[in-house]
Amino acid sequence: VQMVQSGPEVRKPGASVKVSCKTSGYSFTSYSVIWLRQARGQGLEWLGWISVYNGYTTYAQKVQDRVTITTDTSTTTAFMELRGLRSNDTAIYYCARVVAVAGPVRFDYWGQGTLVIVSS
Amino acid sequence: EVVLTQSPDTLSLSPGERAALSCRASQSVSSNYLAWYQQKPGQPPRLVIYGASSRAAGIPDRFTGSGSGTDFTLTISRLEPEDFAVYYCKLYRKSPPLFTFGPGTKVDIK
Repeated sequence: VQMVQSGPEVRKPGASVKVSCKTSGYSFTSYSVIWLRQARGQGLEWLGWISVYNGYTTYAQKVQDRVTITTDTSTTTAFMELRGLRSNDTAIYYCARVVAVAGPVRFDYWGQGTLVIVSS
Repeated sequence: EVVLTQSPDTLSLSPGERAALSCRASQSVSSNYLAWYQQKPGQPPRLVIYGASSRAAGIPDRFTGSGSGTDFTLTISRLEPEDFAVYYCKLYRKSPPLFTFGPGTKVDIK
């Protein structure tokens, strides 16, 4: 199983960013994908997740008006778009595979992270 | 909303020593939804324990998760050099879906 994310991004305040997560090594539609972020020196914050099977999404209340998570099953890739960027959106963004059947919900494989810097 | 508190903030120990990390929830939660992750500098988190006590694939048996209700513990029986990292507990709420992370405990070399 591999989850390979796109490269670092620099955006100005108010702009948008779209981060990709290319997956391989497993049945893409059999698992959900979650997106999280981590500001420098800080803890983990979840942004939202998507059931790849049916496209159903759930977003964290804090960002629900600004984030969209999608997938492309033809390329087994997940995407996270964040709009209206602010300086406090500067963070490393992670995708992770969600195991939600056959036991407790857990994130068993992670992407390497994508640094997004928001600066004027 | 449930808040997770981890203690201590930092645990300074020597290789070979035992580490006990605490994760406390502000209200009783299902142990089925409590997990622990390890994170080393410059790396993504790694799943260590899920369902409060089940070891993830590839995790050595020196890692043990325990607890129920509001109090959960991750115990590392004999610290190896590769175990020095930050450990986060995480809680899942099923309806509506919500994930909460604790602030983390850093285990560093004394």
